[in-house]
Amino acid sequence: AQSVAQPEDQVNVAEGNPLTVKCTYSVSGNPYLFWYVQYPNRGLQFLLKYITGDNLVKGSYGFEAEFNKSQTSFHLKKPSALVSDSALYFCAVRDIFRGDYKLSFGAGTTVTVRA
Amino acid sequence: DAGVIQSPRHEVTEMGQEVTLRCKPISGHDYLFWYRQTMMRGLELLIYFNNNVPIDDSGMPEDRFSAKMPNASFSTLKIQPSEPRDSAVYFCASRPQGANEKLFFGSGTQLSVL
Repeated sequence: AQSVAQPEDQVNVAEGNPLTVKCTYSVSGNPYLFWYVQYPNRGLQFLLKYITGDNLVKGSYGFEAEFNKSQTSFHLKKPSALVSDSALYFCAVRDIFRGDYKLSFGAGTTVTVRA
Repeated sequence: DAGVIQSPRHEVTEMGQEVTLRCKPISGHDYLFWYRQTMMRGLELLIYFNNNVPIDDSGMPEDRFSAKMPNASFSTLKIQPSEPRDSAVYFCASRPQGANEKLFFGSGTQLSVL
């Protein structure tokens, strides 16, 4: 089975401060990991992914995430948050040993960046 | 490219009526996915297609739900009869073949069943 946990429903930060959104995963084999962002009344947009290689992945809008196999984590980070980063963030996982292409999404974390 | 196009954006219907949601994937994408998003259950995969063929429909909640993909540029998700608990946002997503793994989502259909 594959699953993702996002332990925080909400994250609140001040503009200019670092932003971290936490994600832990569970897979039987090796994971493909993703972050997506959803703005109000919009579909999800891809931010970044970890497939293989460097554990630090850089993505869109200045976001990055670090794959940590020992802690089974894939936390999303941004060094200096903007008000426009306020949105709903989803972590997702796919076990590469599965024979399908089904992603499992976390419940989402609402990020609010105050001016 | 216009991206994944879903219609309608909003649908309000009465319990018992048939509802049809439509999706046009990005041209050249081989995979199409239907997701449902609710506050209680989050984002759930209902069904996905590869080259117009349904691969996994284990997420379809009941026989009242059906999905088709008659060609590479069009898919429908049908609910018949609809019930209030079907109220949700339904997303369609597509992706190309290969290792990219990046999903492209449509803007969704907000369904309200009264």
